[in-house]
Amino acid sequence: GQQVMQIPQYQHVQEGEDFTTYCNSSTTLSNIQWYKQRPGGHPVFLIQLVKSGEVKKQKRLTFQFGEAKKNSSLHITATQTTDVGTYFCAGRSNDYKLSFGAGTTVTVRA
Amino acid sequence: SAVISQKPSRDICQRGTSLTIQCQVDSQVTMMFWYRQQPGQSLTLIATANQGSEATYESGFVIDKFPISRPNLTFSTLTVSNMSPEDSSIYLCSVEVVNEQFFGPGTRLTVL
Repeated sequence: GQQVMQIPQYQHVQEGEDFTTYCNSSTTLSNIQWYKQRPGGHPVFLIQLVKSGEVKKQKRLTFQFGEAKKNSSLHITATQTTDVGTYFCAGRSNDYKLSFGAGTTVTVRA
Repeated sequence: SAVISQKPSRDICQRGTSLTIQCQVDSQVTMMFWYRQQPGQSLTLIATANQGSEATYESGFVIDKFPISRPNLTFSTLTVSNMSPEDSSIYLCSVEVVNEQFFGPGTRLTVL
């Protein structure tokens, strides 16, 4: 079945620095979604990417969908303490199933 | 958007017992999803619940262990039956609205 791999599992970032989390799927995706889960909270939808090579920005967050629609990345610039949490990608396969990556847990050093 | 509430928010149960989790959505939705999230882990889909038909279970999950009801378009229940400590987890209800997945606050279950 479809698998979505996400790395790194943990990211310790100095406040103000940038970081990137990556997702790779074993199969071609119809779309990919990104979620953020704050400690003790539930996942909150951030964005959906549909088109090959699509790039979307939300303030300091840049989301990218690969040309082959098998990989995606989330890049955060100038990390702030409010960025703490776990970021999940979720790939939608052609049979409409949504598979979540393992998540990248981000901690920030002030 | 969708606002989802779940009851209970948490519970501590004895092994061998069953717990029913309720999920209420503020709008009518066709499909409701039940996920499990073990501590520090990702989300795993248990089943998809459609109103008026039997739930569709993912590999590794069976109806006898996780019976689901979907009596109407705004409500669903998930029962965790004959619980063991391995069932300790957060159970999340979810709906999809215009390609966006909304999650409830979750039910944190501890089985002793």
